[in-house]
Amino acid sequence: DAGVIQSPRHEVTEMGQEVTLRCKPISGHDYLFWYRQTMMRGLELLIYFNNNVPIDDSGMPEDRFSAKMPNASFSTLKIQPSEPRDSAVYFCASSTRDRYIPSTDTQYFGPGTRLTVL
Amino acid sequence: AQSVAQPEDQVNVAEGNPLTVKCTYSVSGNPYLFWYVQYPNRGLQFLLKYITGDNLVKGSYGFEAEFNKSQTSFHLKKPSALVSDSALYFCAVRDTWDDKIIFGKGTRLHILP
Repeated sequence: DAGVIQSPRHEVTEMGQEVTLRCKPISGHDYLFWYRQTMMRGLELLIYFNNNVPIDDSGMPEDRFSAKMPNASFSTLKIQPSEPRDSAVYFCASSTRDRYIPSTDTQYFGPGTRLTVL
Repeated sequence: AQSVAQPEDQVNVAEGNPLTVKCTYSVSGNPYLFWYVQYPNRGLQFLLKYITGDNLVKGSYGFEAEFNKSQTSFHLKKPSALVSDSALYFCAVRDTWDDKIIFGKGTRLHILP
């Protein structure tokens, strides 16, 4: 298995531009998570999906952020318009639920997208 | 609400010595505990997890962790450190029936040659 795939690996953009980050979860996984990592705030959960449906987006910082999962093999995180404070590493992770002990599934992370907003 | 604390920002250990990275947690139900490692410019990699049963959990790369319910701790250990173990280590906790994992701030482990 190729693992979780994220693209692009690096993105440099100017303030005000739209940014789209992409994620392909591990085949067969039914949960998908988007995280943001910064030095100041550590690893933050932004949003997660179950069976392509957004379950909890309470971590999305502002309306400028949106996420979609049109099918089981693809998700996007969009920032429009981007701001310098959005600079961070964005991770996607996926997992599949154990039917007997639901909270024990392991999340597998992608390599991340390093976003720099100038 | 669940929470996890890693009290040390950085731990320095000489190569060949045993290492411990500390983690304490707080949950309202049964805790499910995880350790992840992050190497530079890489995503988080799963090391091990505690679900139930034996309090000593063995994981990848010779790491193990000990679950202590009375002290609400889940410290990561390795008997003999390698320079290649130098990385950022995250402890994480999930409460029973909860979808979300809460990650600690991370502890940077430096193994000195």
